[in-house]
Amino acid sequence: GAGVSQTPSNKVTEKGKYVELRCDPISGHTALYWYRQSLGQGPEFLIYFQGTGAADDSGLPNDRFFAVRPEGSVSTLKIQRTERGDSAVYLCASSLGPSGTYEQYFGPGTRLTVT
Amino acid sequence: GEDVEQSLFLSVREGDSSVINCTYTDSSSTYLYWYKQEPGAGLQLLTYIFSNMDMKQDQRLTVLLNKKDKHLSLRIADTQTGDSAIYFCAEISGNTPLVFGKGTRLSVIA
Repeated sequence: GAGVSQTPSNKVTEKGKYVELRCDPISGHTALYWYRQSLGQGPEFLIYFQGTGAADDSGLPNDRFFAVRPEGSVSTLKIQRTERGDSAVYLCASSLGPSGTYEQYFGPGTRLTVT
Repeated sequence: GEDVEQSLFLSVREGDSSVINCTYTDSSSTYLYWYKQEPGAGLQLLTYIFSNMDMKQDQRLTVLLNKKDKHLSLRIADTQTGDSAIYFCAEISGNTPLVFGKGTRLSVIA
């Protein structure tokens, strides 16, 4: 596709359940980022992949959050034992290389609602 | 840690200029960005400025950077109703992640 895509666009889940959010980056982009945007806030960094490896996961709030990018393309953000405070829009971005040198292109986000 | 601050709301009349302000704390910032977010859409990069510049102009957009005061502004000339959106200031230092402000909601009154 032409841009970053994210699925699903909306996800409603019950407290305590497990969810997976998917990101398809722009083809050829080696860097991939996950951000979380709560209502009325700017995006907050979660994790950054360069290729298959997590180069920086300092933004993950706790060990319920995990992300993978096994083949260096598609990435999945996994949240275990969801809590109501996890409700937010989860944004994915990709870039040709490390940020600061290359523009990050953002997907439309997945809106997660935990009831 | 790094912090980026913006005023939350701005209202202007169509045809006037809009000025959105931002302050940041990281003195080692290398790039500063302005992103636009429309309802239901992803973040769109509008423009950016390298930290050794003090001004950048791109059509209706003018970015001013005062590095001494750590102050960044975005001026939109001849503001149109289609410019109504949330505008985020963001900064980066080296390979660190983007740090965003909370966003300024621009409302354009016809």
